[in-house]
Amino acid sequence: DAKTTQPNSMESNEEEPVHLPCNHSTISGTDYIHWYRQLPSQGPEYVIHGLTSNVNNRMASLAIAEDRKSSTLILHRATLRDAAVYYCILRDIESSGNTPLVFGKGTRLSVIA
Amino acid sequence: DTGVSQNPRHKITKRGQNVTFRCDPISEHNRLYWYRQTLGQGPEFLTYFQNEAQLEKSRLLSDRFSAERPKGSFSTLEIQRTEQGDSAMYLCASSLAVSNNEQFFGPGTRLTVL
Repeated sequence: DAKTTQPNSMESNEEEPVHLPCNHSTISGTDYIHWYRQLPSQGPEYVIHGLTSNVNNRMASLAIAEDRKSSTLILHRATLRDAAVYYCILRDIESSGNTPLVFGKGTRLSVIA
Repeated sequence: DTGVSQNPRHKITKRGQNVTFRCDPISEHNRLYWYRQTLGQGPEFLTYFQNEAQLEKSRLLSDRFSAERPKGSFSTLEIQRTEQGDSAMYLCASSLAVSNNEQFFGPGTRLTVL
């Protein structure tokens, strides 16, 4: 799986939008962009994934650059419960059903009340 | 609660002792993964199963580590002759074997080796 680069930490005020960036300049055409997050003292949980088009679900939105070399996870209104480490992970579509996730260090998001 | 359970949640042991952890995945999931996570790092892959077959093992999985999934349901991870460097959170995840499958993680077992 190709490498991703994320800021070590970010801070947000409660009820404000949060934009978490991820750079993946060596992404291949068959790599999907996945996001997981890990709340304190819990295992990681899936957030969202996409290939080329922007994606929305109940948890977040994923904005993918036109050249696919970067993406942004958007939390529309941060709450204290969104404080977590957010991981951006690339998964090759041809092998994603067969391979484990490759985690980096992620971005630690702090939310201030 | 993701539906994946792990026991015990915490384990403290002395160096040189053997420990065994158990993971119960979501019942219809045929894929089961083990990861290890140390402080400040993301989880690192150890091994995974499809049904009862162990398909891949990481180089992190030394000879002291062994994992089984005897009936394709629950799995155990055993560490023999524990070392202080084995202290970590051991995470289990399960999924269906389809493209872009979402992995569901358990709460982990925190191992402390004294």
